[in-house]
Amino acid sequence: DAGVTQSPTHLIKTRGQQVTLRCSPKSGHDTVSWYQQALGQGPQFIFQYYEEEERQRGNFPDRFSGHQFPNYSSELNVNALLLGDSALYLCASSRRLAGHRDTQYFGPGTRLTVL
Amino acid sequence: GNSVTQMEGPVTLSEEAFLTINCTYTATGYPSLFWYVQYPGEGLQLLLKATKADDKGSNKGFEATYRKETTSFHLEKGSVQVSDSAVYFCALRGPYSGAGSYQLTFGKGTKLSVIP
Repeated sequence: DAGVTQSPTHLIKTRGQQVTLRCSPKSGHDTVSWYQQALGQGPQFIFQYYEEEERQRGNFPDRFSGHQFPNYSSELNVNALLLGDSALYLCASSRRLAGHRDTQYFGPGTRLTVL
Repeated sequence: GNSVTQMEGPVTLSEEAFLTINCTYTATGYPSLFWYVQYPGEGLQLLLKATKADDKGSNKGFEATYRKETTSFHLEKGSVQVSDSAVYFCALRGPYSGAGSYQLTFGKGTKLSVIP
C-alpha cells in the first residue's frame, strides 16, 4: 500500500517565478492538506482540500493556491516567488469521515529553494 | 487561537537514558494531541496520539498522557537508542466544531541526539 507521495523531491527557482508541487494521497484517503516547514521550524498549515474545494486556510497570502482533482490528488501553486518561500513543503492526507476526522499522514516533502 | 509550546532543544542524551520532552498547549475545548517524529531528510511520521483527557498514547516505547488540568502532553521514553535521534514535534488539532478543526498546529520541534 503506497503512502503519500510528492513530486518533485527538490526544486530550485528564482524570485518572481511560479512553481507547482504535486501530491498523491494514501490509498483510501480523500482529503489533502498542505504545510510549509521553514528551516528549523515546525510545519505551518497552508490549506486543506476536500471534495475538490478549499475547506480551511491558514495565514498565507493569495499567492498560494491549490487544486484537488477527482482522483483526490492535489497541487500547490505559488506565484511571484519570494526568497522567504524557500522551505520544505509537506503534503498530508487523511479521510474526512462523517462525524470523524482521521489522522493525517505525511509525505516526504518537496524542498523548494528560491534564489 | 491554538498554539503549542515545546521545550527548546537540542537535547543530547546517552544511550539508555530517560527522555522527557515537554509540550504544553493553548486551545479552546478539547483538542486532539499528537507527537510526530522527523528523521533527517524525511517527512513527518506519526509517533502517537491521544484524543481525550487522560488518554495515554504509546508506540515504540514512547508514551504521552493527555493532561487537561495542566494542558500538557509530555513525551517520555524509558531508555533511548541511537536510532531515536530525530526531531520531535508536538501538535494539536482543534475540537470538531471549532476553529482549526481539521488543521494541525505544531510546536517548533525538539532535536534529540542520542550518543552511544
